[in-house]
Amino acid sequence: SQQGEEDPQALSIQEGENATMNCSYKTSINNLQWYRQNSGRGLVHLILIRSNEREKHSGRLRVTLDTSKKSSSLLITASRAADTASYFCATDPSINQAGTALIFGKGTTLSVSS
Amino acid sequence: DTGVSQNPRHKITKRGQNVTFRCDPISEHNRLYWYRQTLGQGPEFLTYFQNEAQLEKSRLLSDRFSAERPKGSFSTLEIQRTEQGDSAMYLCASSTQGWDQPQHFGDGTRLSIL
Repeated sequence: SQQGEEDPQALSIQEGENATMNCSYKTSINNLQWYRQNSGRGLVHLILIRSNEREKHSGRLRVTLDTSKKSSSLLITASRAADTASYFCATDPSINQAGTALIFGKGTTLSVSS
Repeated sequence: DTGVSQNPRHKITKRGQNVTFRCDPISEHNRLYWYRQTLGQGPEFLTYFQNEAQLEKSRLLSDRFSAERPKGSFSTLEIQRTEQGDSAMYLCASSTQGWDQPQHFGDGTRLSIL
């Protein structure tokens, strides 16, 4: 089963614009991670935010976490064509009856045109 | 750091045949994970190893699936009596110990069942 649900499913923007993706989840978590996947490739880890953190930055990435709403957002500023990829959130549930593994959402497909 | 390597990249086989995939993780990583990803979905957890011990298996891992990591280094995933529904991308990832550690993914093996 997939706990995270990203929104929107697809996003198309122009180079230089900002891109915001959202992730909602169902159970309490220890941490939440964001990954990027280029077409036909494996996933690449972008950033991790712990349940006691509210915001984190890494280069052009900004991640927020609202545990009361069980949601997170990923903001990519000044987007580039190379940012074109699918973006997934992955949660490490603190209570996971199915086990202890990371649970990935369905992803947001971002297209950045020049 | 040569990254996670998966072989083969593509596998086409007839229904009912057995297939085996190999994953070589990053050498200093003691955790190794297998995921399955279908089109338009995020990765779904199958199983993971810590060193040579298989610590968790998903309900998705039917008795036709078996995974090994005999010496705590490379791992194999075998599917016996393949079915149409097994068509997917099979991803391997590795990490150091802990669910808060970034997982490093290989580029996957794409399985197509004729």
